[in-house]
This record gives sequence, structure tokens and C-alpha cells, in this order.
Amino acid sequence: EAGVAQSPRYKIIEKRQSVAFWCNPISGHATLYWYQQILGQGPKLLIQFQNNGVVDDSQLPKDRFSAERLKGVDSTLKIQPAKLEDSAVYLCASSSRGTNTGELFFGEGSRLTVL
Amino acid sequence: SQQGEEDPQALSIQEGENATMNCSYKTSINNLQWYRQNSGRGLVHLILIRSNEREKHSGRLRVTLDTSKKSSSLLITASRAADTASYFCATDWRGGSEKLVFGKGTKLTVNP
Repeated sequence: EAGVAQSPRYKIIEKRQSVAFWCNPISGHATLYWYQQILGQGPKLLIQFQNNGVVDDSQLPKDRFSAERLKGVDSTLKIQPAKLEDSAVYLCASSSRGTNTGELFFGEGSRLTVL
Repeated sequence: SQQGEEDPQALSIQEGENATMNCSYKTSINNLQWYRQNSGRGLVHLILIRSNEREKHSGRLRVTLDTSKKSSSLLITASRAADTASYFCATDWRGGSEKLVFGKGTKLTVNP
């Protein structure tokens, strides 16, 4: 079974530029999550999708971050404009049954450096 | 915040020794999960323990849960150099929107 795919693995941009990350979850997984992990900290949930719909985006900085999940499969996370404090690893995860009963499967992450 | 807090922040042991990491949380939970993260990689699920369970084993891993103290522990027995990683607890808190909230992690170093 193929795992969660993310791209790009690394991205370096100047502040105020834009960046987009892509995630392809495990086939058949209805729930998709984007987490932000700042160096030395635990992952922080940005947004959670259930199929096409948003379940939780309470910690997504909506003035600069946006995310969508196309046809309930792939997802993109965009940052525009980027700030220095957005430097982090962006982790995508998926699950088949939701967190109440199941584990999350994570991708390798996309490491963003904002200069 | 219902975020779990791991203790200690860092742990260094010799191969063959046991490693114990603790996690405390603040609100009632449905379940608690432990994940491992190797440097520069994604997180890998280790074990899930439900709120009505007290202990669970998986290979060299032993997890305990004490809901009265709102705490959990992860024991890795007979550690190996390959166990070197960061370990995170994550709670799925009761009454929430079914999301996992992660702690800050314990960085474990196993010296050969």
C-alpha cells in the first residue's frame, strides 16, 4: 500500500512570496489533515477535511493560509504572503476512520524556509 | 489547552536499557496515541490506548494510561540505537471535533 505522498520536500522562499504544498493521501482515506511543525515542537493541526468538507480549521491563519481538497482526494495548502514565522515542516496525514478509532498515517513532510 | 505534555524533554540512555517517557494532559479523552518521529521524517504511529484501557503492549513497547491522573507512560524495553527518535503523545479529547492534539515530544537518544 502506497503511503501519503507530499511535495515538494523542501522549499526556500523570500518573505511575502507565496508557496503551495501538495498532498496525496492513502487511497480510500476519507479524513485528511494538515499539521504545522515548528522546529523542536509537536505538530499543530491547521486544518482537517472529511472527504470534501472542512471539519476543523480553527487554527488556520486564514488571512494568509488556504487549503482545499479536490474531489475528496488530493489536497493543497497555500501560504500567501509568507512570513518568517511560517518556517516549519508542513505535514499531511490521512486516516480511514477518524481519530476516535484510528491512527493517522503521515507523509514525510514539506520543509519550508522563509528568508 | 488540552495539549499533552511529555516528560522528560530529552532522554539519553545506553543500548539495552529501558526508556520511560511520560505524558500528561488536561481534559477527558477518547483515546491517547503515541507516535515516533525520526529526524527529518514524518510521524509513525506506535500504539493507541482507549480511555477504558489501562495497559497495552506491542513488541518492546508498553503503554499505560491513568485517566484519574490524566497521564500516560511509554516504556521501551531493551532499547536499540535504532530507537533514537522523538516520541510524541497525542490525545483525542472527548467532546472535541475528533482531532488529535500533539505534545511537544521527548527526544530519545540511545547510545551504542
